[in-house]
Amino acid sequence: KQEVTQIPAALSVPEGENLVLNCSFTDSAIYNLQWFRQDPGKGLTSLLLIQSSQREQTSGRLNASLDKSSGRSTLYIAASQPGDSATYLCAVRQRYGGATNKLIFGTGTLLAVQP
Amino acid sequence: DTAVSQTPKYLVTQMGNDKSIKCEQNLGHDTMYWYKQDSKKFLKIMFSYNNKELIINETVPNRFSPKSPDKAHLNLHINSLELGDSAVYFCASSLGQVLDSPLHFGNGTRLTVT
Repeated sequence: KQEVTQIPAALSVPEGENLVLNCSFTDSAIYNLQWFRQDPGKGLTSLLLIQSSQREQTSGRLNASLDKSSGRSTLYIAASQPGDSATYLCAVRQRYGGATNKLIFGTGTLLAVQP
Repeated sequence: DTAVSQTPKYLVTQMGNDKSIKCEQNLGHDTMYWYKQDSKKFLKIMFSYNNKELIINETVPNRFSPKSPDKAHLNLHINSLELGDSAVYFCASSLGQVLDSPLHFGNGTRLTVT
């Protein structure tokens, strides 16, 4: 059974710092891994999607890496800003049955960037 | 121009009642989902429909019954509500079962059962 864990559960940093969020998963048989952001009272916004054959993806100040063999992914945020404050979730996509697949979410990291 | 919209945003009701949550997407997607987020912020899939056909049905009490009248709508009906049903319920959609099609989420419905 796939288990997805995120460390740390909460993180507080001063504005301008670079930071790394970690995601680990127990079953490496995944199709891809996705990072989401969740703001209070809102739904999830997709940030980056990394295919199982890829090592990393970049979007602006965000860089996500994937090491499928070791079951790890990191989300690197450069020059953090107060607007980055949110809960960050990683999710792995894996086979459900037949041609169906599903996302399994991690436990989330609550990030607070202090001005 | 909301992509995935669900109503109501908040729902407060008493134990034993029956309630429904509605979801609509205007993205042209053909796959829709219901997720439950518990008090610890853990998100878990409940159901998924592809072109009105149920394709994912996790271990969910049969008091929960999804209904998809067309591929743009997926509603969730809950019978005999219990205290443990209190959570935030998220609707989402994607383009079929395409592996790199990201999910688009609604803003959630916070259900409180008293």
